[in-house]
Amino acid sequence: EPEVTQTPSHQVTQMGQEVILRCVPISNHLYFYWYRQILGQKVEFLVSFYNNEISEKSEIFDDQFSVERPDGSNFTLKIRSTKLEDSAMYFCASRDRASSEQFFGPGTRLTVL
Amino acid sequence: AQKVTQAQTEISVVEKEDVTLDCVYETRDTTYYLFWYKQPPSGELVFLIRRNSFDEQNEISGRYSWNFQKSTSSFNFTITASQVVDSAVYFCALTRGAGGTSYGKLTFGQGTILTVHP
Repeated sequence: EPEVTQTPSHQVTQMGQEVILRCVPISNHLYFYWYRQILGQKVEFLVSFYNNEISEKSEIFDDQFSVERPDGSNFTLKIRSTKLEDSAMYFCASRDRASSEQFFGPGTRLTVL
Repeated sequence: AQKVTQAQTEISVVEKEDVTLDCVYETRDTTYYLFWYKQPPSGELVFLIRRNSFDEQNEISGRYSWNFQKSTSSFNFTITASQVVDSAVYFCALTRGAGGTSYGKLTFGQGTILTVHP
């Protein structure tokens, strides 16, 4: 069964460093999402992406964040200068045009020291 | 704006007890979808069910059942004869829906931590 994959599973970085989180959505899906979950809290929407552009973003998704679909398979989230409060689990999700169901990847745990 | 409230922060039960997780939502959309996800200790989000706003029929899947009531804006989840493996965080979520590009972000509730003791 097709699934969303994310790499790495765990990333440790120093404050101020740039990180890129990678996702490979399900191959025929057209809509892509990033969510964040700070430890012990709820899952929060960051950004949605369709047709090579951002379709919606939350107030969390400030200028430090960017997303890109550099080729036909990868979908990346970049944090330019990480802060301690960026430590969280980051989930990628994708869906096809016909369905409301978003398929989630296993997540990347980002730890900023 | 959309909002999902899961008032129960933590629930603790003994194995074989029935347990109901509450979810109340707010939306101005006439068409929307409701979801339940399970997050086990390993951290991934496991899809359990989707329900659209036009279908108020209750659903049962094995030990799981869901009660959707538009009149009270609730979408509650019951686990019958709970098991230790049901221990997890359960999230209720909401998205608007009208097809195609109108499907938007998922808005999650705060989650309910369910602990099932042997």
